[in-house]
Amino acid sequence: SQQGEEDPQALSIQEGENATMNCSYKTSINNLQWYRQNSGRGLVHLILIRSNEREKHSGRLRVTLDTSKKSSSLLITASRAADTASYFCATVQTGANNLFFGTGTRLTVIP
Amino acid sequence: DTEVTQTPKHLVMGMTNKKSLKCEQHMGHRAMYWYKQKAKKPPELMFVYSYEKLSINESVPSRFSPECPNSSLLNLHLHALQPEDSALYLCASSQGWGGGEKLFFGSGTQLSVL
Repeated sequence: SQQGEEDPQALSIQEGENATMNCSYKTSINNLQWYRQNSGRGLVHLILIRSNEREKHSGRLRVTLDTSKKSSSLLITASRAADTASYFCATVQTGANNLFFGTGTRLTVIP
Repeated sequence: DTEVTQTPKHLVMGMTNKKSLKCEQHMGHRAMYWYKQKAKKPPELMFVYSYEKLSINESVPSRFSPECPNSSLLNLHLHALQPEDSALYLCASSQGWGGGEKLFFGSGTQLSVL
């Protein structure tokens, strides 16, 4: 992808477990965002972390950002079957305007 | 109203057809986007309109023609498409453009070109 790659490509866990997915990107960024996409539908914005922030929380979501390593992680705690979806990180390069998406992680939460 | 509405949800067209995809938002957003997404791939940016002016065209073939009639509406006109253009077409909007704005997405149009 133009900017980010995610790891793992696919993740399968039991309901109640935590899910961690990672995003690596190539250039300096303004901010990094995470989106969720249910199968064949539009994307939903989850959380935005700015380049001067290191960690952010929203409900069961925790996002970290390490600009020195050009990487971010998304942690979903106490997963539910409804969390089954694809998760994409997205970044805007410093000095640029457009949001480019990473390759995505397909999460399956087994009830 | 925090929705971006796309119509139609599904579209099947032949290679000689002309069709249009429509997108509407009433959040007062001044930037609107078209993304194309193939199965199991990330969305790829096609066009950006900012304040009703085309700001970005990511080297998209001329068989795709965007139009922004007003600040709430965005169209994508399709003509002489190829089977490889079959994909999910996503419209999005944001309050402004630049600096990494949060995007609001519609649910997409699943396009099949026969």
